[in-house]
Amino acid sequence: EVQLVESGGGLVQPGGSLRLSCAASGFTFSRYWVTWVRQAPGKGPEWVANIKQDGSETYYVASVKGRFTISRDNAKSSLYLHMNSLRAEDTAVYYCARSHSGGSCLLDYWGQGTLVTVSS
Amino acid sequence: DIVMTQSPDSLAVSLGERATINCKSSQSVLYSSNNKNYLAWYQQKPGQPPKLLIYWASTRESGVPDRFSGSGSGTDFTLTISSLQAEDVAVYYCQQYYNTPPLFGQGTKLEIK
Repeated sequence: EVQLVESGGGLVQPGGSLRLSCAASGFTFSRYWVTWVRQAPGKGPEWVANIKQDGSETYYVASVKGRFTISRDNAKSSLYLHMNSLRAEDTAVYYCARSHSGGSCLLDYWGQGTLVTVSS
Repeated sequence: DIVMTQSPDSLAVSLGERATINCKSSQSVLYSSNNKNYLAWYQQKPGQPPKLLIYWASTRESGVPDRFSGSGSGTDFTLTISSLQAEDVAVYYCQQYYNTPPLFGQGTKLEIK
């Protein structure tokens, strides 16, 4: 069974940093693009970043470019999101998701999410 | 960016009746080299992550009931639930995966009338 389990969320002050993790199991992690998607309270999902199977390509939404870094460790079947210079508008549930074979931005399995709250 | 706009924002349908949700993209998501529309539909229930229902505009994901169907091409797409069941109450999102960033629509909240 495919499982994705996020961790690392919490309350952080504006300007602070946080590192999210996602532990994958039930599939060969190294064969798939993986993605971070966030969802602010009462809003629709927002794609944040994704990373190629070998980590050689990464893409970001404009609003986080230069502040967030996506990375992966295939030996540990783990995905990470390093978030710096956090702002109130980064408050959201952050999901990790696996990309479907049909496209790197098509998401077939999602974790349950971890809540990040940016507030003083 | 390819912006996705859904209509309506909310919809109330009687059990057993048809529900129809529309999605329009700001530019075509039809890739000419393979004639595929890079358009997906997701269902999200309260407290849960989105669940993939349909991709390539009309291909059902494994395990999705056949009362769910997708249609359309280019810039205009439709998700249809042929006979609404109580468990279909959710918010539905379309998403283009033609390019980056793969934006989602604003969502359509489906309720029972």
